[in-house]
Amino acid sequence: EVQLVESGGGFVQPGESLRLSCAASGFTFSSYSINWVRQAPDKGLEWVSYIDDGNTKYYADSVRGRFTISRDNAKNSLYLQMDSLRDEDTAVYYCARGAGPIPYFDSWGQGTLVTVSS
Amino acid sequence: EIVMTQSPATLSVSPGERATLSCRASQSVSSNLAWYQQKPGQAPRLLIYGASTRPTGIPARFSGSGSGTEFTLTISSLQSEDFAVYYCQQYNNWPPITFGQGTRLEIK
Repeated sequence: EVQLVESGGGFVQPGESLRLSCAASGFTFSSYSINWVRQAPDKGLEWVSYIDDGNTKYYADSVRGRFTISRDNAKNSLYLQMDSLRDEDTAVYYCARGAGPIPYFDSWGQGTLVTVSS
Repeated sequence: EIVMTQSPATLSVSPGERATLSCRASQSVSSNLAWYQQKPGQAPRLLIYGASTRPTGIPARFSGSGSGTEFTLTISSLQSEDFAVYYCQQYNNWPPITFGQGTRLEIK
């Protein structure tokens, strides 16, 4: 069974940093693209970042230069380093598996809440 | 960036009836369109990819159609567990990967 488990969310002040993790199991992690997708309170889904099996990375304009996606295939883990956090980054952050390199999302974690507020 | 627009924002339908949800792309996305279902407090679930293909385990009452810029998700006979928010997502021209704003399907 495919499982994705996010962790690392919390409450931070604007300008601070946070690192999210996503632990994967039940599939060959190294063979899949993985994404971060976020959802602000009572809002829709927003794609944040993508990393594929060749370590190609993409970012939404809203986070480029502040967020860094990475993966450790030996640990079956995905990360999102979030720096210079803003109020508008407040959201539930999901990791979501792509269908191979193709970015539709066939498995999702349960999400981790990030709250940015002064 | 391709903008995805869903309509209506809220759809009220009685159990057992058919629901039809629409998604429009600002430019052609071919058949590179997915649909997701999200219930309160839960992560989204993939319902349809490739505009019309159901993943294993998705009931046959869910069907997708369309190509280019106009897409439809049809739920043939609504069950109580189908009342949720539905999102479309394009993956034809990316990055960025873009979602529609969602359609809330509520019990009439």
